[in-house]
Amino acid sequence: NAGVTQTPKFRILKIGQSMTLQCTQDMNHNYMYWYRQDPGMGLKLIYYSVGAGITDKGEVPNGYNVSRSTTEDFPLRLELAAPSQTSVYFCASIRGGGSAYNEQFFGPGTRLTVL
Amino acid sequence: AQTVTQSQPEMSVQEAETVTLSCTYDTSESDYYLFWYKQPPSRQMILVIRQEAYKQQNATENRFSVNFQKAAKSFSLKISDSQLGDAAMYFCAFLSGTYKYIFGTGTRLKVLA
Repeated sequence: NAGVTQTPKFRILKIGQSMTLQCTQDMNHNYMYWYRQDPGMGLKLIYYSVGAGITDKGEVPNGYNVSRSTTEDFPLRLELAAPSQTSVYFCASIRGGGSAYNEQFFGPGTRLTVL
Repeated sequence: AQTVTQSQPEMSVQEAETVTLSCTYDTSESDYYLFWYKQPPSRQMILVIRQEAYKQQNATENRFSVNFQKAAKSFSLKISDSQLGDAAMYFCAFLSGTYKYIFGTGTRLKVLA
């Protein structure tokens, strides 16, 4: 199993550009999450999904959009990039269904810089 | 809305000593899960310990244990016999019954030789 994979690893955007961060998991997990982590700070939940076709806002959803058309994929879309969106973005997933299945599995992260 | 608060941005502990990291949370739910994760400089997130809210017994994993006070909404992590490899950022996390998974701001732990 590859686990949770994210692409790209690094990206530099200009203000106003758009991009999609890709996230794929091959563990057949039901629940997927997008977080951002600013330098020296904690993880802020952007969006999450409890299954294909179902998404919900997290703590900081403004400026982002998501979709979940399959169990495996959970892309994050940035529209009209702003310097405040400079951060490291983590995708994560859990199987769900009980304590033993609630450990988050994280991707390696995408470092995004908006100039 | 649920919130997770870690009031200690940084803590230091002497090698082989014991340290306690604090976490408080706010929720109106009665059924939830709490976690402590460790993030070393590699940025990889590592699960340290988990606690089910319906269990009164505090979770223990080797040198790591928690003090879970449900009424006070407190969930502290105790690290015994601290080792140099314990140095990292530690995050408290909350998982709601609707699968909303949120993290605190973190505590940076330094271990002094």
